[in-house]
Amino acid sequence: GAGVSQSPSNKVTEKGKDVELRCDPISGHTALYWYRQSLGQGLEFLIYFQGNSAPDKSGLPSDRFSAERTGGSVSTLTIQRTQQEDSAVYLCASSLYGGGASGANVLTFGAGSRLTVL
Amino acid sequence: AQSVTQLGSHVSVSEGALVLLRCNYSSSVPPYLFWYVQYPNQGLQLLLKYTTGATLVKGINGFEAEFKKSETSFHLTKPSAHMSDAAEYFCAVSRGGTYKYIFGTGTRLKVLA
Repeated sequence: GAGVSQSPSNKVTEKGKDVELRCDPISGHTALYWYRQSLGQGLEFLIYFQGNSAPDKSGLPSDRFSAERTGGSVSTLTIQRTQQEDSAVYLCASSLYGGGASGANVLTFGAGSRLTVL
Repeated sequence: AQSVTQLGSHVSVSEGALVLLRCNYSSSVPPYLFWYVQYPNQGLQLLLKYTTGATLVKGINGFEAEFKKSETSFHLTKPSAHMSDAAEYFCAVSRGGTYKYIFGTGTRLKVLA
């Protein structure tokens, strides 16, 4: 698509429920990132996918968080047994490649999924 | 380890006044530096970036930033603020062009009429 699409844009859930957040990156972009943006905080890196390589999961805050990327395109971030501290905006970004000095590693962000855990 | 510090979580300027948003970084290797802007309910958009070469970088919407290695800074400026510049601005660093970006905590710019 023309941009990075994320759904849902807003999600309100009860503590303890599972949620799935979806990201549809720009077609042809091999790199995909998930970040978390909490009030007053910067962007917290969660996970990185690059092509068929094993993802970098080093930013996932707990084993309640997981993500997958199917067919090198759409990605789903799953949060199990949600807690109130999971409330945040979850941003997805993609880039043509995962690194390099050229414009190829410029991130294009989606509008985010705002998660509220009651 | 890399880090990014943005001084001032909130900055207010009058319309037509100079905009100066501060960013300092630490990096053990030559950094690649970025400024992104986030308008309400939108994702982040790239304003400008520094990788190598000329240290004064011009971006979109009249913004520019200067990489000063001796000061480990990459401050964002615009000579004359416009109401449409009201947004949140994020400075980011990546280590030598690797895929890992470190973002600052952001500066919310308010433009007063």
